[in-house]
Amino acid sequence: EAQVTQNPRYLITVTGKKLTVTCSQNMNHEYMSWYRQDPGLGLRQIYYSMNVEVTDKGDVPEGYKVSRKEKRNFPLILESPSPNQTSLYFCASGRTQQALEKLFFGSGTQLSVL
Amino acid sequence: AQSVAQPEDQVNVAEGNPLTVKCTYSVSGNPYLFWYVQYPNRGLQFLLKYITGDNLVKGSYGFEAEFNKSQTSFHLKKPSALVSDSALYFCAVRDIAGDSNYQLIWGAGTKLIIKP
Repeated sequence: EAQVTQNPRYLITVTGKKLTVTCSQNMNHEYMSWYRQDPGLGLRQIYYSMNVEVTDKGDVPEGYKVSRKEKRNFPLILESPSPNQTSLYFCASGRTQQALEKLFFGSGTQLSVL
Repeated sequence: AQSVAQPEDQVNVAEGNPLTVKCTYSVSGNPYLFWYVQYPNRGLQFLLKYITGDNLVKGSYGFEAEFNKSQTSFHLKKPSALVSDSALYFCAVRDIAGDSNYQLIWGAGTKLIIKP
């Protein structure tokens, strides 16, 4: 089954404790992206990747890191989480960066930073 | 500046009635427009897209959307609502002009509630 898999689904942590949210897709997609969803703000893009070893900042990259060493994986790293990073996070992938392509989303990771 | 507006935070419709979820956009070039749906505790799912051609686009689950260039709108519609249509709906536009790098611009979302 074609899917984007995120882990964990729920995560509670404390300020400053490094964490990683994993994302994997099994569709051989070139394009992957991370979003955060906050009430009233919709989706805001954190980082995206157009292919292996190619990453770019989105609208809200501060406090986050990503890597794209393999085509299928695109982990999101919070080196020193802060309470304002409490949010619902989504990973998405698409066949290419091209305008016509639809995105496939993971089920989300609800992160709480205390 | 590029933007997408969903003017209604919430839309309430009785089951069986037609529904409309509104979306307006502002981009510098020709827009590619999308609707996505998010069911509770799930990721977003693609519903439909407008690229070019017929202004009325049909998508999944009986939804359709009407592109109106003069009003810069892309409203989502369904002739007869189902309780199972209750979800959060997002409009998005992809600006293919200039240095946009094809990134999606998202609306804030509209919660659709269908009452039996």
